[in-house]
Amino acid sequence: DIQMTQSPSTLSASVGDRVTITCRASQSISIWLAWYQQKPGKAPKLLISKATTLETGVPSRFTGSGSGTEFTLTISGLQPDDFATYYCQQYNSHPTWTFGQGTKVEIK
Amino acid sequence: QVQLVESGGGLVKPGGSLRLSCATSGFSFSDYYLSWVRQAPGKGLEWLTYISGDSFTKYYADSVKVRFTISRDNAKNSLYLQITSLRVDDTAVYYCARGRPAALWGQGTLVTVSS
Repeated sequence: DIQMTQSPSTLSASVGDRVTITCRASQSISIWLAWYQQKPGKAPKLLISKATTLETGVPSRFTGSGSGTEFTLTISGLQPDDFATYYCQQYNSHPTWTFGQGTKVEIK
Repeated sequence: QVQLVESGGGLVKPGGSLRLSCATSGFSFSDYYLSWVRQAPGKGLEWLTYISGDSFTKYYADSVKVRFTISRDNAKNSLYLQITSLRVDDTAVYYCARGRPAALWGQGTLVTVSS
């Protein structure tokens, strides 16, 4: 099965900062990578699909990049609402889909 | 209104069984892959299983494929997860989710396995 490794596990940042989260796949997943945001007590929210496609309504300060095995989520100009935990997920193909372990973005 | 609503969670003893349901509305149910994802307290997301719109394709995470069974009823616009031989480490919030990847999620239902 494909393993997903996110880094860092925790990230301390200030409002206005540019932050980058990395996700690595154990084998190529082409562009079949999604990014989710989750706040405490809430269901995850899909931010980006197919590695770079921003979902409708998601602010443009969120950017996804990468293909193959290396992917990044960048938040340009961190806002108070962005402090949350972020997960990558591969959905390359059958048989299984896998989440990364998550990156908590906290206030410095 | 487009929504997913899970139910069926609760307190269960180790070794017991449970059937979770996910009632949906507001979209063409049979057009979508549906998944179950869980989150143990204070832990990350764990994808469990998905099912295709026609139920022809079903896959499971290795960790649950023996004890978990996903199914759907397209006439009732509902998704199900049957869990047997429940263990303490199955304690989690269980979410149903729509799509590939999951663009729509339910609010989750809490399953607590404890004696």
